Amino acid sequence: QKEVEQNSGPLSVPEGAIASLNCTYSDRGSQSFFWYRQYSGKSPELIMSIYSNGDKEDGRFTAQLNKASQYVSLLIRDSQPSDSATYLCAVATGNQFYFGTGTSLTVIP
Amino acid sequence: DAGVIQSPRHEVTEMGQEVTLRCKPISGHNSLFWYRQTMMRGLELLIYFNNNVPIDDSGMPEDRFSAKMPNASFSTLKIQPSEPRDSAVYFCASSRRTLLARGPNWRFFGPGTRLTVL
Repeated sequence: QKEVEQNSGPLSVPEGAIASLNCTYSDRGSQSFFWYRQYSGKSPELIMSIYSNGDKEDGRFTAQLNKASQYVSLLIRDSQPSDSATYLCAVATGNQFYFGTGTSLTVIP
Repeated sequence: DAGVIQSPRHEVTEMGQEVTLRCKPISGHNSLFWYRQTMMRGLELLIYFNNNVPIDDSGMPEDRFSAKMPNASFSTLKIQPSEPRDSAVYFCASSRRTLLARGPNWRFFGPGTRLTVL
């Protein structure tokens, strides 16, 4: 079992809709969770971090963490074509840091 | 802050040649990571350094790969001899490691080096 699992997609949503990206992890001891955005041909860029159960909002982005279910998600409200990218979930446990394989998101104008 | 700097940005070489990738981490960051990204395998950690000391090189695929960090502001990843299956994007990332499990230990990535081995 991989440490971090993501649906590779592609996920397509119309402009203005809510995009929901999901991630599960295997280590219950994981304590830090991150979402990176990677545009085609570019490097991963950190967009959200979350450490506690619940929701964390930053502009149009909301990260949700449920440690009991070992589940972390990213919601993008009012999706824009510029949000089209691959979104990588990352989970840190102590000194270990694991990336998922990413979910490709396309926002259709 | 200039961010993580990598060179070269693109490298095309022939099988059997030596390839050296270079990285300058963000000033003040004490951890440095080398990743490889391919479509098939995603983002793989090759090796990471903490305070210039290699901590975990279990991701280095073969003895053909070696990495050094002679000082806090420079690291190299060398492949000798290179093979076509080494073709990938190689990212260097740095972070400011903290003693707390929770904390700003996220990775900041450089722009990457796209390596093509013919």
